[in-house]
Formats: sequence, structure tokens, C-alpha cells
Amino acid sequence: QVQLVESGGGVVQPGRSLRLSCASSGFTFSNYAMHWVRQAPGKGLEWVAIISYDGNNEYYPDSVKGRFTISRDNSKNTVFLQMNSLRPDDTAVYYCARDGTYYGSGSPLKYWGQGTLVTVSS
Amino acid sequence: IVLTQSPGTLSLSPGERATLSCRASQSINTNYLAWYQQKPGQAPRLLIYATSSRAVAFPDRFSGSGSGTDFTLTISRLEPEDFAVYYCQHYGASPGTFGQGTKVEIK
Repeated sequence: QVQLVESGGGVVQPGRSLRLSCASSGFTFSNYAMHWVRQAPGKGLEWVAIISYDGNNEYYPDSVKGRFTISRDNSKNTVFLQMNSLRPDDTAVYYCARDGTYYGSGSPLKYWGQGTLVTVSS
Repeated sequence: IVLTQSPGTLSLSPGERATLSCRASQSINTNYLAWYQQKPGQAPRLLIYATSSRAVAFPDRFSGSGSGTDFTLTISRLEPEDFAVYYCQHYGASPGTFGQGTKVEIK
């Protein structure tokens, strides 16, 4: 069965960096785009990043563009989220999710990880 | 595309009918509108996709409808396990967008 397991969350000071990982199993990882979606405490869902199946296409909202970078290692079935210049409003649970397509549009998100909490605080 | 969900909170009793609205800022292809259910401490779960196709894990008391800019999630008779937050999502572009959510709470 499809499994997505996030790791790497924790408490970090404003301005510092953090790298999240999402290890995948139960499907052919290299055939699917992958997403990161976050949820601030008590708030709704916000797309953070999308990466195409081959890693050649990435998409970010303005709120994280230039600070966050999504990448993937298809040999290790893992997607990453490098977060730099973190701010208190980046505090959230970060979920990875699997797309149903190569490029990250046209498919709902059927599979989600359990999430990892990132807290940005001094 | 901005998705606006209403109401923000719906207070109902078990057995009642719930009607949740999702309005888009511009017309959406019905193939690209989904609904998710989220319970406290859990990841969202895909409930409805392509406006009206129900995920296999959910019973037929859940239904989706709509077209253009107006979409609806209906729960015909609320069961205790249905009290949760529901999000609509447009996934026709990268990145897509989520609505802000509707909380269905026990009255």
C-alpha cells in the first residue's frame, strides 16, 4: 500500500534553515509528481511546493518563492523540502502528498503523509 | 482561482442534512474540483473528486455537485463520525488552490 512518511520537523529560530524529507513506498515513485502542503495551527491548507515526476518542473506560491526549494531523489523514493530564511508564519504541519499525474496538475491528492510539525520561534 | 467556502461553521445534529458551498472566483472545469475531510490531528482525506465522484472509502450519504463557479458537498444524514472540517480544492493548474474550509460541528 502507498505510504508517505515525513521527517525533519522541529523547532528552529527565525532566519534559520530546515530540510524536510518524505520517504515513499508502495508505488513507482518516479512516475508521479509530489506535493508539499502545509497547515498553520488552527488554519486551513496551503500549497507550498510541487515537483514533477522527473524533477525538472517546480511550482511555488509567492509566500515561499525564493526561500523554499523542493527536490527529489528517485533512486531513494524521497522528496525533500529545503526551507531557508524561515519566519514565524512558516510555523505549520507540513504534509507531503502524491499526485496522480507526471506534472502536478489535473489530479486530486489521494495519498498524504501524517505530517511533520515545524515551529519557527526564538 | 480563489475558492470561497461557506458557511465557516455549520452546527447540526446527527441525522440532519449538511450542505456545504464552495464558490470559485472564475469558472472551473468540473473535472478538477475535489473535497477533502479532515479530522483533528489527521491528514486530509480525499472525499470527492471531479465534482461528484466519491472516493471508495466513503459512504453514499456523501455527494458532490455543481458547475461553473458554484459547487456543493451534501451529507444527507450526518453520522457522528462526519463531524469534521471539509475543504474544497481546485486542481486544474499548478499550483492549485484550497478553500478555507467549513467546520461541521455537533449542535
